[in-house]
Amino acid sequence: GAVVSQHPSWVICKSGTSVKIECRSLDFQATTMFWYRQFPKQSLMLMATSNEGSKATYEQGVEKDKFLINHASLTLSTLTVTSAHPEDSSFYICSARVYRLAGDNEQFFGPGTRLTVL
Amino acid sequence: SQQGEEDPQALSIQEGENATMNCSYKTSINNLQWYRQNSGRGLVHLILIRSNEREKHSGRLRVTLDTSKKSSSLLITASRAADTASYFCATDANAGGTSYGKLTFGQGTILTVHP
Repeated sequence: GAVVSQHPSWVICKSGTSVKIECRSLDFQATTMFWYRQFPKQSLMLMATSNEGSKATYEQGVEKDKFLINHASLTLSTLTVTSAHPEDSSFYICSARVYRLAGDNEQFFGPGTRLTVL
Repeated sequence: SQQGEEDPQALSIQEGENATMNCSYKTSINNLQWYRQNSGRGLVHLILIRSNEREKHSGRLRVTLDTSKKSSSLLITASRAADTASYFCATDANAGGTSYGKLTFGQGTILTVHP
């Protein structure tokens, strides 16, 4: 159980185009999903928290107009990188929060999407 | 300053040896979690230890937590070549008893186990 998928697994696009990445929880409902970015040989940096039915909460320094997040259902969150530039090239990973016991916050991660902007 | 700093940054050992990775953090936490990442892949959840726990085991993994020192360690016993990966600690911060659900990741330890 608790499987999270991402699509696509990799994408190459031209500078100036927009790219949409999907994150799905396959066997559970996730009211909260998270989007992370990871540069080579670095750790994960949280970009935003995606809440079903409401606006995403962005971390400081993350442009909400550039990284559009839509959490339209309990099993799907999407991240759209608008007007992508080479510096947006990165590994984007989503996670979904699973409550097991009160106070716990276990997250299950998708396999990631490698974005390369030419 | 960085929440969840880990050391060593890289660890190279022989198969069969034990591997110990450490993590330090700065704020009060609800729990601390360890994740594993194979190169270019997503993260796999290994173990969660709550703030009121001191030690936890799962198979060949042993995690300790010292909240007074704000530190944790992950021990992998009898390592295998397949354990080669990056290992990250992540803290779920406690702000007045409320978990905001956000995890803050350490910089990670790259573990290489030679066959």
